Amino acid sequence: NAGVTQTPKFQVLKTGQSMTLQCAQDMNHEYMSWYRQDPGMGLRLIHYSVGAGITDQGEVPNGYNVSRSTTEDFPLRLLSAAPSQTSVYFCASSYTTGAVNTGELFFGEGSRLTVL
Amino acid sequence: KQEVTQIPAALSVPEGENLVLNCSFTDSAIYNLQWFRQDPGKGLTSLLLIQSSQREQTSGRLNASLDKSSGRSTLYIAASQPGDSATYLCAANDYKLSFGAGTTVTVRA
Repeated sequence: NAGVTQTPKFQVLKTGQSMTLQCAQDMNHEYMSWYRQDPGMGLRLIHYSVGAGITDQGEVPNGYNVSRSTTEDFPLRLLSAAPSQTSVYFCASSYTTGAVNTGELFFGEGSRLTVL
Repeated sequence: KQEVTQIPAALSVPEGENLVLNCSFTDSAIYNLQWFRQDPGKGLTSLLLIQSSQREQTSGRLNASLDKSSGRSTLYIAASQPGDSATYLCAANDYKLSFGAGTTVTVRA
């Protein structure tokens, strides 16, 4: 019962570096998403996907890239890290009805990123 | 744009008291509303999911109600325990989930 697994749990980057946050789920969920959580800002949607090969932007997509080649995996790429991207990142998944996320959302444990 | 508000931002109660957490949302055209618990440094754990056609959901000591017409949901936690201390978040799903900022609960032994 792994659920939603995120790696790494902690990461420190220098400004301008790139990296990929990994997310995998074993519940055969079509819907997967990435959020960032910042003090005073709550959880904000970065990108989401309703199935393999389908991705779309959320509320704060700039500086991030995603792809969905399999049902299980949904990596988040930081193209050129900036201090403003220091945050806690959460991956979440759920089942869908049609192309709409209507199910219970399950979260990973989070990836804590610091950009110096 | 959906706006979700949770009041109060923080709550401290003695053990055994019932907890009432409020969530309001601006757009009533939602598919469902979900309540989560978050412990410090941890991810979000789903507590209850209420579909738009439902008025309430119950799980153990937890009961959540939904009034779409007034844009409100309430989470009740009966007979609170110190282990209930956490941040509770609600999220309204109108295709994309919008989260409230959460209510941080402290239950004093």
